[in-house]
Amino acid sequence: SQKIEQNSEALNIQEGKTATLTCNYTNYSPAYLQWYRQDPGRGPVFLLLIRENEKEKRKERLKVTFDTTLKQSLFHITASQPADSATYLCAAGYSTLTFGKGTMLLVSP
Amino acid sequence: DSGVTQTPKHLITATGQRVTLRCSPRSGDLSVYWYQQSLDQGLQFLIQYYNGEERAKGNILERFSAQQFPDLHSELNLSSLELGDSALYFCASSVASAHTDTQYFGPGTRLTVL
Repeated sequence: SQKIEQNSEALNIQEGKTATLTCNYTNYSPAYLQWYRQDPGRGPVFLLLIRENEKEKRKERLKVTFDTTLKQSLFHITASQPADSATYLCAAGYSTLTFGKGTMLLVSP
Repeated sequence: DSGVTQTPKHLITATGQRVTLRCSPRSGDLSVYWYQQSLDQGLQFLIQYYNGEERAKGNILERFSAQQFPDLHSELNLSSLELGDSALYFCASSVASAHTDTQYFGPGTRLTVL
């Protein structure tokens, strides 16, 4: 079955560093990947979409890569801030979205 | 604020009961999606409606049903509730039917089945 895997362990980093989150997918070839941010008790918020023919996408301090050979997407937040602390969800799509369980990011001052 | 509203915010009920969750999409959005989020399963796609018609179906149980009304609001009906149905239920909306369209999520309804 289609699987989206994200690191279940929280990522702890210091303010100002670059956070890198990983998303791996197995058993299918999604046409695109999306990244969302979710704060406790709230709905996910869309951040970025990258298509299979794009290697990299940027938006302000965010960067996403899509490696179809490795079946992996990396999500980077540069110059991280405590306000970036949240759970980040990866979602892969072909006809519907399949979400990973998310990785919690904790940015300490 | 995404512009998507969901009611109620919290719902506590007993096993075997039936509940209805309601969602109003953002103004102008024609698609509504329903998701279930639990600690062990993560965010699971249930069903999508586009302009009143069912568009895509995910892991939705037969005990669950949904519909989208002419004013585009949607309802998710959960019946014969079991303890395992306790979860956060999110509604999302998008402007059209393509899954690459940005989905805007509501604040969710937290369902507790006792």
